[in-house]
Amino acid sequence: GENVEQHPSTLSVQEGDSAVIKCTYSDSASNYFPWYKQELGKRPQLIIDIRSNVGEKKDQRIAVTLNKTAKHFSLHITETQPEDSAVYFCAGDRGSYIPTFGRGTSLIVHP
Amino acid sequence: GAVVSQHPSRVICKSGTSVKIECRSLDFQATTMFWYRQFPKQSLMLMATSNEGSKATYEQGVEKDKFLINHASLTLSTLTVTSAHPEDSSFYICSAGVVEGGGPQHFGDGTRLSIL
Repeated sequence: GENVEQHPSTLSVQEGDSAVIKCTYSDSASNYFPWYKQELGKRPQLIIDIRSNVGEKKDQRIAVTLNKTAKHFSLHITETQPEDSAVYFCAGDRGSYIPTFGRGTSLIVHP
Repeated sequence: GAVVSQHPSRVICKSGTSVKIECRSLDFQATTMFWYRQFPKQSLMLMATSNEGSKATYEQGVEKDKFLINHASLTLSTLTVTSAHPEDSSFYICSAGVVEGGGPQHFGDGTRLSIL
């Protein structure tokens, strides 16, 4: 089955800096890689996703890159703001489209 | 966008009580829904895959007789925690979304279950 590893577990940055969170996956059949943001006590919400036929996708301050050969994908947040503080989860599918989540990264943006 | 509604949001009850949690897809049909359990500061742990019209598929280590799942319609799945005990206290959350071809999951607001 799919195994998704996520690093770091905690990331602390100053407002305006960039933040990068990395995930690796084990199942080469996986083809859909979303990123979710979960604020304290709230539901996870999709912020960006990428499919295996694309190497990079960008949406304003957020971007995701995918390296299928190395089986890793990364979330990049530029010009971080305090409201970006949350827990971020990456996910891969298990080939049968059942999501497998990484362990999460707690991002703290200091004003 | 797709909306998933989950109720109740908070349950506090005595040990031995059975608790039912509902997950509804409000504006789309979901043949598959997922149930997760989340401990504080931890990831989403998949408990089971709920399939409309058939039995749920449980993850290894999840007791199917303890966590009963029913997916009787294309818009409703229920999770019943039977004879709940304090160790069952947790945050339970459901999701639904496109499965075929891979797609985003839309999450309910979650249910905070506290067993006294």
